[in-house]
Amino acid sequence: DQQVKQNSPSLSVQEGRISILNCDYTNSMFDYFLWYKKYPAEGPTFLISISSIKDKNEDGRFTVFLNKSAKHLSLHIVPSQPGDSAVYFCAANLMDSNYQLIWGAGTKLIIKP
Amino acid sequence: NAGVMQNPRHLVRRRGQEARLRCSPMKGHSHVYWYRQLPEEGLKFMVYLQKENIIDESGMPKERFSAEFPKEGPSILRIQQVVRGDSAAYFCASSPPGRGELFFGEGSRLTVL
Repeated sequence: DQQVKQNSPSLSVQEGRISILNCDYTNSMFDYFLWYKKYPAEGPTFLISISSIKDKNEDGRFTVFLNKSAKHLSLHIVPSQPGDSAVYFCAANLMDSNYQLIWGAGTKLIIKP
Repeated sequence: NAGVMQNPRHLVRRRGQEARLRCSPMKGHSHVYWYRQLPEEGLKFMVYLQKENIIDESGMPKERFSAEFPKEGPSILRIQQVVRGDSAAYFCASSPPGRGELFFGEGSRLTVL
């Protein structure tokens, strides 16, 4: 039973345009969400996070939106750059847990020149 | 300012042998996590440790797998009598106390022949 779902295994976007990566979750007890970026043969690196008390968090070209009623979050990257080509993982966290993150399967983003 | 250090980066074992994977957390981090990534899948939580304590091992297979984080030295993930299905990338992450943000190592890729 996947509690965090990234339904698009891959996404191709033209350089300079907006990339939108989506993530759905089922557990309403999740209250902290994170996006990680992973290049081949490297470990995931933290990108941006959002607490459930917010609906938007912005950091430079990256913005995460949270829609709690829909149990949906999205990562927007604008403008997309070739270096953004990577696998993006959505993860959710229960603050009363031992900080165990529940991960989605990832979306491979390909930025076309 | 070293990040999370994992070694070996690549390990090849024959079926029935033992595999030992090591992880040194970032300086100042007291929490260590191990994840496994099978091909075409997201990361799966295995175990969460603090110094000399296993906090949550709910993701660990019941047999052949063990983990430790001694008072001195790195955390070790040990797989006894490896089988082909153990072939995967094993990622270690660390975090400071009180935060869900994880910092990952580059991973150890285990290949079982």
